[in-house]
Amino acid sequence: DTAVSQTPKYLVTQMGNDKSIKCEQNLGHDTMYWYKQDSKKFLKIMFSYNNKELIINETVPNRFSPKSPDKAHLNLHINSLELGDSAVYFCASSLADLSTDTQYFGPGTRLTVL
Amino acid sequence: AQSVTQLDSQVPVFEEAPVELRCNYSSSVSVYLFWYVQYPNQGLQLLLKYLSGSTLVKGINGFEAEFNKSQTSFHLRKPSVHISDTAEYFCAVRINQAGTALIFGKGTTLSVSS
Repeated sequence: DTAVSQTPKYLVTQMGNDKSIKCEQNLGHDTMYWYKQDSKKFLKIMFSYNNKELIINETVPNRFSPKSPDKAHLNLHINSLELGDSAVYFCASSLADLSTDTQYFGPGTRLTVL
Repeated sequence: AQSVTQLDSQVPVFEEAPVELRCNYSSSVSVYLFWYVQYPNQGLQLLLKYLSGSTLVKGINGFEAEFNKSQTSFHLRKPSVHISDTAEYFCAVRINQAGTALIFGKGTTLSVSS
């Protein structure tokens, strides 16, 4: 049973293109996140949604737009891709309950911009 | 703001030796503490977490960590490592508010050789 899934796993594209990464969780969680892992493996939060509402929006170029059609999905759309967008993007989810709050991560999407 | 410092970027050890991966954090408010492991080309898996209670926390795969509030540390230990423990290890903190993002350290590469 896949808990947090992402598609695609690998994405290779040209500069200037627009692409989307999809994330789905079947854990019944109400909060979802996007993290970016750069080439030095540093992980940083990008966005967070709770019950389809944006609650965290870090300093990310507005070319990145998250969309949450329902509690189980959080997609990431990127416009006008740049070389610096190359990274691994991780989706995560959690239950907004302090007693058990643990974030579960998807397998990641490796984006390569040529 | 919170920050996490992992004091060692790389830790090489021989199989069956003990290991300690060091993590210090900074925060003006109470935080929860986590260790995640990332195997090559995979997502992040939770090893263990400290939310409250006993300061010695046991996790999966024989790992444990001790929360030391006075030293603001959360070091990860294993008494005897295996080749299969070779991976990237991330320490992370989060303020004790549901749904907030994890703040990660820069990671420690554990390399176990025979």
